[in-house]
Order: sequence, then C-alpha cells, then structure tokens
Amino acid sequence: DAKTTQPPSMDCAEGRAANLPCNHSTISGNEYVYWYRQIHSQGPQYIIHGLKNNETNEMASLIITEDRKSSTLILPHATLRDTAVYYCIARAPYGNKLVFGAGTILRVKS
Amino acid sequence: GAGVSQSPSNKVTEKGKDVELRCDPISGHTALYWYRQSLGQGLEFLIYFQGNSAPDKSGLPSDRFSAERTGGSVSTLTIQRTQQEDSAVYLCASSPEWYQETQYFGPGTRLLVL
Repeated sequence: DAKTTQPPSMDCAEGRAANLPCNHSTISGNEYVYWYRQIHSQGPQYIIHGLKNNETNEMASLIITEDRKSSTLILPHATLRDTAVYYCIARAPYGNKLVFGAGTILRVKS
Repeated sequence: GAGVSQSPSNKVTEKGKDVELRCDPISGHTALYWYRQSLGQGLEFLIYFQGNSAPDKSGLPSDRFSAERTGGSVSTLTIQRTQQEDSAVYLCASSPEWYQETQYFGPGTRLLVL
C-alpha cells in the first residue's frame, strides 16, 4: 500500500467546512483512496472512498487531484460530533487487512 | 440495517484465565476481520476470514490466540492464558466481498487483564 501523509491535527469551527488533506504521492494506478474516522472509544467508521473521480455521499466529499498524488476530505458543515481521528489510506482493492497511520486529529470547536 | 455487533462490550479478567470474544458480522458479508487496538495505538491486524477459504492467521501474536468462524457468519476470538499485555480493544469488521475494502467495524470489546 502506498504511504500516506496527513497533518497531525486540525481545528475547525462548528458549522464551517472541515478540509482534511492527505498526500499519497506514490499511489499506484489501482489503489483507491479510503477515509475512515474513529471517534473516541468507538470502532473505526467508514466515510468514503474513490479512485480518481471526486466522490460525495451523505457524510462527506472526497476531492482527488488529477495526478492522484493528494486528496482532500471535506466535511461540509462540521459539528462537535465530527471530532475524531481521521485516517487516509491508499489501498489496492484486492487486499485484506487495513493499516491505519497516525491520522489527523480533527477538533471541532463551538 | 444492523451493523457489526460484538460482545461483551467490556471484559475484565484475571491473568491466566481464558476469554472468548464474539463478533456478529453484517448479514451477507462474506469477509470478517479481527483487529486489536492498544491504548493510543493504531490498528493491529489479527486474523481474516473469507468465505470457506482457509483464514489468514498471519497477525495472531502467539499460539494463545485463536479464532473460528462458524457457518460463515458468527466468529469467536479466543485468548488462552491471558496476559496483561493482551489488554486492548478488540475490533471486528466485515465487508461484503474480499475485494471490497469497505470494512464496517463493530464497537469493539474492551479487554482488561488484571
């Protein structure tokens, strides 16, 4: 799996968009970008994934650069409940175990 | 629909005792994974089941750890002769097929070995 790099922490005001960056400059052509988050004392939660097109679901949007070397997870209207560790993972589709890096601690503040 | 469920949610045991942790995956999901997460640490892969194939046990830390999956659904992780370093959150995840990496996690079992 390609290595990913994320900032260790970010703050966001409640109600504002949270933009979480991820670098994956060595990503291979068949590797997807996945985002998970882990709220304190809970299991990891799947958010979104994509290959090269931008993706949107009820939780977030994923913007992948044209060269696929980086991506941004966007939470359009962050709430206090979005405070969590966010993990960006570059994975080929035919793997098994997930490997989480350190992730980004997102603190949403009122 | 119902998500992945795990039981018990918390378990306190004495060193040397055996424990069993249960995972009920999402109905219809053929792949099931066990991980553990020590305090402040990342996920540590333990074992992976896919349909009727032989499980991938490459992450089990010692022969005290074993897991089975009966009928392609419920899984049990057993830790024999528990040690204090086994204290962690044990997480189960399932996915629809092995080639889909969208794994859905349960809430975990918090194990404390005294």
